Amino acid sequence: SQQGEEDPQALSIQEGENATMNCSYKTSINNLQWYRQNSGRGLVHLILIRSNEREKHSGRLRVTLDTSKKSSSLLITASRAADTASYFCATAALNAGGTSYGKLTFGQGTILTVHP
Amino acid sequence: DAGVTQSPTHLIKTRGQQVTLRCSPKSGHDTVSWYQQALGQGPQFIFQYYEEEERQRGNFPDRFSGHQFPNYSSELNVNALLLGDSALYLCASSFTLESPLHFGNGTRLTVT
Repeated sequence: SQQGEEDPQALSIQEGENATMNCSYKTSINNLQWYRQNSGRGLVHLILIRSNEREKHSGRLRVTLDTSKKSSSLLITASRAADTASYFCATAALNAGGTSYGKLTFGQGTILTVHP
Repeated sequence: DAGVTQSPTHLIKTRGQQVTLRCSPKSGHDTVSWYQQALGQGPQFIFQYYEEEERQRGNFPDRFSGHQFPNYSSELNVNALLLGDSALYLCASSFTLESPLHFGNGTRLTVT
C-alpha cells in the first residue's frame, strides 16, 4: 500500500512559472526524499530532508517538511520544459533504533507538464 | 563509473511461467532493493538484500524470491506468473541504509 498521498495528481504550467507539489504521509519518519521519473524509466534522486530539518534547497529545488502535519512540499522555481516528468515523494520509516531500515514507501506521484 | 544496470529491458511471458530479472548495483554499493511499479502508480517495495541475505520484505507473496551474489549483484525471481504481475520492475542500490537510492532503468515485464 502507498503511504504517501500526493497533491495534485497532475500539474500543467508554462515555462518560467513555479511548480509546487505536496506530499502527506502517515507514520513517523527518519527522512523524506523526492525522486523524479521520466517516461516510466528509472527514478532519479532529487533531494533528501531529514526529520529534524524544516527546509532544504538544491539549485532550483526547495523542499519543506512539517513533521507535526506529516507533510512535505517540493517547489521547483523557474520551471523549464525539461522538468516535465513524474515526481514522487518517498518516506523512510523510523525504526526503534532511531535510524532507517532503508525501505522507502512511495506516493503515487505528481505528473508535471511544463509547456514551452 | 556505471550506475545500476538491469537486464533484460523488456520481457514478455505467459501466465504460469517463471521469470528471472537481473541487477548489478552501482560500484561501491552493497545494498540492493527491488521495487514493483504498476502503470500510473508509485513503486512498491518488494525486498532488500544486504550481505547476501534478505533483510526486509514488503507485502508480496512467496512467489517473489531473490538472491544476492558475493559481487553484490542480485536476481529477482517470480514464479507462477499472474496477469497482475505485469509491471516495471526496478532495482535500486545504495551505499548505506540511509543513503538515497540509485535506480536502474527497470525491466518492463508483460504477462499475457
